[in-house]
Amino acid sequence: KNEVEQSPQNLTAQEGEFITINCSYSVGISALHWLQQHPGGGIVSLFMLSSGKKKHGRLIATINIQEKHSSLHITASHPRDSAVYICAPPNSGGSNYKLTFGKGTLLTVNP
Amino acid sequence: EAGVAQSPRYKIIEKRQSVAFWCNPISGHATLYWYQQILGQGPKLLIQFQNNGVVDDSQLPKDRFSAERLKGVDSTLKIQPAKLEDSAVYLCASSLERSRVGYTFGSGTRLTVV
Repeated sequence: KNEVEQSPQNLTAQEGEFITINCSYSVGISALHWLQQHPGGGIVSLFMLSSGKKKHGRLIATINIQEKHSSLHITASHPRDSAVYICAPPNSGGSNYKLTFGKGTLLTVNP
Repeated sequence: EAGVAQSPRYKIIEKRQSVAFWCNPISGHATLYWYQQILGQGPKLLIQFQNNGVVDDSQLPKDRFSAERLKGVDSTLKIQPAKLEDSAVYLCASSLERSRVGYTFGSGTRLTVV
């Protein structure tokens, strides 16, 4: 069983739609990163959250630590949101802090 | 604030050749990571430095890969000799020591081995 499961693996939406990407994980301590990777580009950290909900612009991330589940929502999606979204819980603490990565969700938003 | 700098952006080499990648982390970030991301997969940690010391290199193919972080700032990752399966994006990231914030990735180096 993979340590980090994301769903869906691929998602195609029309501009303006509400998007939800889910992440379930079996590793990790008490926080999780959501990352965004554009084709051919580097990775940008969107959120690091350890409880509840965080909002940044049209992006909302929620996490349930007890259930080891997190969701990333995009409201009023736009073609520029097309990217791979990666869920990454850290799998250790202290000075050996490192992330475990999901395979990512490829989002395509059509105009 | 400047981000994590990586060079080169792209590199094409023949198998059995050598290649080196360079990373300059965010100023003040004690922890530096090198990841390998093969197309269609999530990044895989190769090596983690805390200042100039290695914290974790358990997934580094030490017969061909090496990395160093002299003076606890810049880092280089070397592959010698390269194999076809080394074709991937090599990502460098840095973070504050013992901190969950400030985890920042560079734009990566795309390596193609032919």
